[in-house]
Amino acid sequence: GAGVSQSPSNKVTEKGKDVELRCDPISGHTALYWYRQSLGQGLEFLIYFQGNSAPDKSGLPSDRFSAERTGGSVSTLTIQRTQQEDSAVYLCASSPLTDSLHFGNGTRLTVT
Amino acid sequence: QKEVEQNSGPLSVPEGAIASLNCTYSDRGSQSFFWYRQYSGKSPELIMFIYSNGDKEDGRFTAQLNKASQYVSLLIRDSQPSDSATYLCAVNRGGGYNKLIFGAGTRLAVHP
Repeated sequence: GAGVSQSPSNKVTEKGKDVELRCDPISGHTALYWYRQSLGQGLEFLIYFQGNSAPDKSGLPSDRFSAERTGGSVSTLTIQRTQQEDSAVYLCASSPLTDSLHFGNGTRLTVT
Repeated sequence: QKEVEQNSGPLSVPEGAIASLNCTYSDRGSQSFFWYRQYSGKSPELIMFIYSNGDKEDGRFTAQLNKASQYVSLLIRDSQPSDSATYLCAVNRGGGYNKLIFGAGTRLAVHP
């Protein structure tokens, strides 16, 4: 079946603008994760959803970052008042509860 | 000290040789361990996971875990140029969901 789908694949925005990144997980996967990967770095955990609730938001770097998930499916990561240090690849992953993660192709965010 | 540490490389090996990738972790409570492969510009893909001390083999890949030493490794036998990628070690501390903490990755280059 279809894998994890993320959109847009690339986003260029001006500093100070808000951006929304979308993730459509694999059907039936109850767990959804957002990670961030800066150039040459490993993956940094941002937030975990189980269904529509987010029991672990510990990785969100500031209150400019927020995320929601609706219908136990699609998730949106919103970054308000973007800064240049927000430039990174934002990766979404989904899984059955404790199974291994399946990653999407990511959204490359560039803040100019 | 980073929670998951890997040598950044590059690790250069000739085609047909064994590539040995190493990872150490700091949290003794870590319960499961994962190796992901990431080609340049692509999303991470799962190669192997291991939960118990010892070796686990899957085709040309062998994962090794030593919880006493807080050490996990990945061996790639008969390395091929197509194995050239960044290999990410990830650790799950448990807690009922699969929040993975990633190392920064080791870049492997297999030359003909």
